[in-house]
Amino acid sequence: GAVVSQHPSRVICKSGTSVKIECRSLDFQATTMFWYRQFPKQSLMLMATSNEGSKATYEQGVEKDKFLINHASLTLSTLTVTSAHPEDSSFYICSAGALGGLEKLFFGSGTQLSVL
Amino acid sequence: AQKITQTQPGMFVQEKEAVTLDCTYDTSDPSYGLFWYKQPSSGEMIFLIYQGSYDQQNATEGRYSLNFQKARKSANLVISASQLGDSAMYFCAMRETGANNLFFGTGTRLTVIP
Repeated sequence: GAVVSQHPSRVICKSGTSVKIECRSLDFQATTMFWYRQFPKQSLMLMATSNEGSKATYEQGVEKDKFLINHASLTLSTLTVTSAHPEDSSFYICSAGALGGLEKLFFGSGTQLSVL
Repeated sequence: AQKITQTQPGMFVQEKEAVTLDCTYDTSDPSYGLFWYKQPSSGEMIFLIYQGSYDQQNATEGRYSLNFQKARKSANLVISASQLGDSAMYFCAMRETGANNLFFGTGTRLTVIP
């Protein structure tokens, strides 16, 4: 089946630094990718929707200047957490879909971000 | 209103027994898809099963089956012959027509007891 690769799986950084997370679709072209955030023992909350070649659409309450999303190709989307702070510590997970409709989305393995 | 409701924060099941995880949903869209994902402690989201709103039969995938009751807006997951490796968080999710993203429930933590 389709595979989505997410890297890194875990990152620890100092407060004030920026962290980039990559999400790649390995065997299909992902016109749309989604970025989710998950706090411990909670559900996945959609942060933003990224479409190849256009600006990402952010959910209400998500700071677009803090969470920069780039979807420059059909196989790669990146999420950059800028000037990270301890409250940004969370599990970030991406998913990718090929087309609109009701096909299932494929998820990356997630990134655990810890900001010291 | 919550689009997906999972009322069981935690469930226990004896190994080799069957277990049902509840999920109800709320949508006015006549066309939608319902999904179940498994999230082990490692964090990845593993797709288990999909049910389309127009599907006439309940979906089945190996030991997983989806008890789809459209009038009640419920999409319960049934796991038969539970195994120790089934211990994980289970999320129900819905995708509406025209909305590419998934709405997730709060999850149910399943523990399989040897």
